[in-house]
Amino acid sequence: EVQLVESGGGLGRPGGSLTLSCAAAGLTFSSHWMNWVRQVPGKGLMWVSRINTDATVTNYTDSVKGRFTISRDNAKNTLYLQMNSLRAEDTALYYCVRDRGWPTGGFDYWGQGTLVIVSS
Amino acid sequence: DIQMTQSPATLYASVGDRVTITCRASQSISSWLAWYQQKPGKAPKLLIYKASNLENGVPSKFSGSGSGTGFTLTISSLQPDDFATYYCQQYNSLPYTFGQGTKLEIK
Repeated sequence: EVQLVESGGGLGRPGGSLTLSCAAAGLTFSSHWMNWVRQVPGKGLMWVSRINTDATVTNYTDSVKGRFTISRDNAKNTLYLQMNSLRAEDTALYYCVRDRGWPTGGFDYWGQGTLVIVSS
Repeated sequence: DIQMTQSPATLYASVGDRVTITCRASQSISSWLAWYQQKPGKAPKLLIYKASNLENGVPSKFSGSGSGTGFTLTISSLQPDDFATYYCQQYNSLPYTFGQGTKLEIK
């Protein structure tokens, strides 16, 4: 059974930092691009970032560029999101998501999410 | 960025109905479109990928069609378990973008 389990969410201060982790099990973690997608409670979905299989390629949505860093440790089957210079608008549930990749695509496995609240 | 526009925002239907949700892209995305179902308190679930391909384990009552800029998700013979929020997503180009969602509610 595939499991993606996020952790590290909580209360962060404006301008502060948080690091999210996602532990993967039951899948060949190192073979897939991974993503972070966030969702403000009661609102829609927003793609945040992705990373390729060997961590040589990373991409970000504009609103987090320069503040967030995605990384992975394939030996530990773990995905990370380092979140710096936090803003109130970063408040959301953060999902760790697998991209099934070529040739079909689609985000086929999602974690349960970890909630980040940015507030003073 | 490619904007994804879903309609309607809310859809009222009855058990047994057949419904269609529309998703329009602001520019061509070929067939790089997915549909997801999300229930309250749960993560989204992939239903359809590459516009018209049914994900493994998803009932055939769900079907997708379209290419370019116009896409539809059709759900036939609605059951109580189908009442949820549905999102389209383009993965043709970064940033990947989602529609705003269509909430399917019981009439």
